[in-house]
Amino acid sequence: GQNIDQPTEMTATEGAIVQINCTYQTSGFNGLFWYQQHAGEAPTFLSYNVLDGLEEKGRFSSFLSRSKGYSYLLLKELQMKDSASYLCAVRGSYNTDKLIFGTGTRLQVFP
Amino acid sequence: SQTIHQWPATLVQPVGSPLSLECTVEGTSNPNLYWYRQAAGRGLQLLFYSIGIDQISSEVPQNLSASRPQDRQFILSSKKLLLSDSGFYLCAWSKENTENNEQFFGPGTRLTVL
Repeated sequence: GQNIDQPTEMTATEGAIVQINCTYQTSGFNGLFWYQQHAGEAPTFLSYNVLDGLEEKGRFSSFLSRSKGYSYLLLKELQMKDSASYLCAVRGSYNTDKLIFGTGTRLQVFP
Repeated sequence: SQTIHQWPATLVQPVGSPLSLECTVEGTSNPNLYWYRQAAGRGLQLLFYSIGIDQISSEVPQNLSASRPQDRQFILSSKKLLLSDSGFYLCAWSKENTENNEQFFGPGTRLTVL
């Protein structure tokens, strides 16, 4: 079957660093995406990993280990506006753009 | 630049009534199109996927249907809504042969079935 696991909720303090983990078991793999979704809004793209290693984009970084079926999203210098849900999604096939989404991690940033 | 539109933004419908949600994409041609539903506290569930006009695959059995009468128009319908159809409906598009084929989401329609 296809399964993607993320923690349901996390909390952190403004200015801190937080790591959101994602593990996946899928029949195939052709890339992992992280999306940010503020309450009541559409998800927006944050990062994409297809090879092992770390991808850095400003305050956000994403890591992938294909052999372990594991990824994390690292958020540095947290701001109040980072309070949102973070969705991990896997593209499970080479011949389709279809994504399998996890249930998302709701992050609350406190002052 | 590409944009994706959905309407209506919110909808309250009685059980047993019909449904029609519309999604249109501008600024690109022959996109892959998707309908997702996000129920409260749950992840995004892919409902339908389309690679071209009148080419639609259904991902889960349900009382919903989808149609793609034009290249950049994707419609989600139901003849008789159920209470369990309540949720946040998101349309998305992607384009092949781009760097990562990411999906871009519309603003969504929040449907409440009473």
